Amino acid sequence: AQSVTQLDSQVPVFEEAPVELRCNYSSSVSVYLFWYVQYPNQGLQLLLKYLSGSTLVESINGFEAEFNKSQTSFHLRKPSVHISDTAEYFCAVTGVNAGNMLTFGGGTRLMVKP
Amino acid sequence: EPEVTQTPSHQVTQMGQEVILRCVPISNHLYFYWYRQILGQKVEFLVSFYNNEISEKSEIFDDQFSVERPDGSNFTLKIRSTKLEDSAMYFCASSGNSRSYTFGSGTRLTVV
Repeated sequence: AQSVTQLDSQVPVFEEAPVELRCNYSSSVSVYLFWYVQYPNQGLQLLLKYLSGSTLVESINGFEAEFNKSQTSFHLRKPSVHISDTAEYFCAVTGVNAGNMLTFGGGTRLMVKP
Repeated sequence: EPEVTQTPSHQVTQMGQEVILRCVPISNHLYFYWYRQILGQKVEFLVSFYNNEISEKSEIFDDQFSVERPDGSNFTLKIRSTKLEDSAMYFCASSGNSRSYTFGSGTRLTVV
């Protein structure tokens, strides 16, 4: 079984400032890691994922996350946020076997202020 | 880009009534899931489905819930007798061997 902890329920930040959303996981097996974004009244959109290879993964809109196995973390970062980044961000983990379910963290609400 | 389609987008039902939430997963995906998100809370796993049978289910998925793949394209979640606490956003998802989980845009179920 896996579990995910997102330590910050809300992160307020000014536009163009850097941001880090923290995610820690626990698992007894090897895992894959994901970040999903949920805009108001919308569904879950995949932001980025780590399956294997380079521990630093990037999204097309400037977010990046680094898998740190020793610290069991997968923090999400962006060097300069925009108003349009305001959303709920969910970290998720799954075991490496096909068909394993995703386990989500509690979510972090990123609030970008002008 | 392939999508997971869910219908309806919003369903209002009276307590005790049966509801069926419908999903069309991505056509070449083999694994199907239902999740729910109670307003303001985390996304919770309900059930996974593979090869025409349930492969895993959570403690939330009790006897009131059932899933079915009635044909080659649809994947449904049935709640037999709805309770007020079943009010939530229900998300369908599918995945293939590439480990990309694609979510639908959800069905908001309101039980009154």
